[in-house]
This record gives sequence, structure tokens and C-alpha cells, in this order.
Amino acid sequence: GENVEQHPSTLSVQEGDSAVIKCTYSDSASNYFPWYKQELGKRPQLIIDIRSNVGEKKDQRIAVTLNKTAKHFSLHITETQPEDSAVYFCAAAGADSWGKFQFGAGTQVVVTP
Amino acid sequence: NAGVTQTPKFRVLKTGQSMTLLCAQDMNHEYMYWYRQDPGMGLRLIHYSVGEGTTAKGEVPDGYNVSRLKKQNFLLGLESAAPSQTSVYFCASRRVTTEAFFGQGTRLTVV
Repeated sequence: GENVEQHPSTLSVQEGDSAVIKCTYSDSASNYFPWYKQELGKRPQLIIDIRSNVGEKKDQRIAVTLNKTAKHFSLHITETQPEDSAVYFCAAAGADSWGKFQFGAGTQVVVTP
Repeated sequence: NAGVTQTPKFRVLKTGQSMTLLCAQDMNHEYMYWYRQDPGMGLRLIHYSVGEGTTAKGEVPDGYNVSRLKKQNFLLGLESAAPSQTSVYFCASRRVTTEAFFGQGTRLTVV
């Protein structure tokens, strides 16, 4: 089955700097890679996702890149703001995993003013 | 359109008691999931279902059972609760290879 590893587990950045979180996956058949943001006491919510036929996707200050050959994908947050402070999770899914949807262990991002 | 709704939101159980958590979705999603989230930890998959009448084990299935008798509902049962099952439980649903939508979570304490 799919195994998703996420690094780093914690990330402290100064406001205005960039943050990068990396995930690797094991199942070469995976074709869908979402990123979720979870604020304290709330449910995880999708912030961006990418499919295997695309190498990069941007949405304002957030971007995701995918390297299928190396089986890793990354979340990039530019010009970080205090409201970006949260836990971020990656996941990988595909037909071969038969619907199994497992997340990385999460990254606690702290943006200091 | 309510999305994914979990019942109850909070519950305190005594060790050995049983209970059922209900997850309901109104988006006609095929796949449904139960996760647990412990403090400082990620989302660990307990059980999941790829369609009505089907269930499968995730990473941490021991001590839990599930049923999906109707497409819109996914039930998580604890037959004999243990303190180690104190956690926040999230249900989620999605279509094949699309985003997952989460319920608001159920905070369960076993004393």
C-alpha cells in the first residue's frame, strides 16, 4: 500500500519568508496529491492539489511541485503571514491503492512576526 | 448541502463501554474514511470504505469496527472502550481521486 513521508515535522519562519514542506510517496501508481491545512481545533481543509499529469500548480502565494520520477512533491508558501501558522498535511492517492487515503505525519508551521 | 456531518461532537465514556460514531455525507461520495488524531500527531486511518456494503482496514483498526449499510452513512463502533482510544475522530468522504471533505470531528474521552 501507499506510504507517505513528510518533512520537516516542524518549521519556524519569519513573516515574509518562504516555507517549503516535502513529501515522498511509495506507490508509483499514485496520481493525486492534495495538501491540507488544519488550524487549531478545526477540521483539515484542502488548500491545493495536483494530479500526476501536471508538474506544478500555483494559487496566489501557494504552489505545489511534483516530481514523478523521484516520487516526491512539495508545498511552497511564499511571503508567509501569521495566518499561515497551522499544521499542513500531504496525501497521495491512486487507483492501485484501492481508495486508501493516507496522510503524511504533518508539519507544524509557525510564522513569527 | 451540509457536506460531512459527524454525530456526536463530544463524548465521555467509561472504560469497557461501547458506542457508535455516525458519519453522514450528502455529496453522493463513493469513498468514506475514519481517522483518529492524537495530540501532536497526524491523521491515522482506522477503516475505510470504497462503496456501500464494503469496508477495509487502515493503519490502526484494532478495537474498532465499521459498517456501511447505506452509501451516505459510515458508522464507527467501539465495542469495549479503552483509555488508549481517547482521541479526536474525523470522518471524511470523497469521489475517486478527488479531494476529501472532512467532518467537524468528534472528541472522545475514555476514563
